[in-house]
Amino acid sequence: KNEVEQSPQNLTAQEGEFITINCSYSVGISALHWLQQHPGGGIVSLFMLSSGKKKHGRLIATINIQEKHSSLHITASHPRDSAVYICAVKITGSARQLTFGSGTQLTVLP
Amino acid sequence: NAGVMQNPRHLVRRRGQEARLRCSPMKGHSHVYWYRQLPEEGLKFMVYLQKENIIDESGMPKERFSAEFPKEGPSILRIQQVVRGDSAAYFCASSRSGEGESPLHFGNGTRLTVT
Repeated sequence: KNEVEQSPQNLTAQEGEFITINCSYSVGISALHWLQQHPGGGIVSLFMLSSGKKKHGRLIATINIQEKHSSLHITASHPRDSAVYICAVKITGSARQLTFGSGTQLTVLP
Repeated sequence: NAGVMQNPRHLVRRRGQEARLRCSPMKGHSHVYWYRQLPEEGLKFMVYLQKENIIDESGMPKERFSAEFPKEGPSILRIQQVVRGDSAAYFCASSRSGEGESPLHFGNGTRLTVT
């Protein structure tokens, strides 16, 4: 079983829809990251969380430490949001920087 | 304020050749991480370096792969005698410290193709 599980693997939405991507992890962590990867492009760090909730524009990330779960929400989705969204965790006590989920491919249709 | 710079962006090598991938971290960052993304797979940690030191190389294949981060100059990921299975995107990231709360900044990656 992977230490970081994401769902769904693929998600297609219509422009304007509210989107939720989920991430569950099975280890103790000191931080959780949400990353965005465009096709053929680099990786952008969207959020880094250790507790609570963060908001940036139309993006909201939440984390529940007790339930070992995080969600990434996109409000009023737009075709330019189409990308792979990756959840990654920093395992407590590990020098290794980030263990990754397998990613969620989001396609927003106009 | 330049971000993490990786070069080359694309690299084609024939089987048996050497590949050298470079990563210049963000200014003020002394922690560098290399990750590999195989086709149709997720990102996997390879190695974590600070200036002149390898902190964690538990994700590196035991043979043919090496990494360094010298006092001066970029971090280098070196793959000797490349094989087709080495074809992947290699990403570098940097941070100011190695603590979990320190934000990571990624480069655009080097896409290695072994023919």
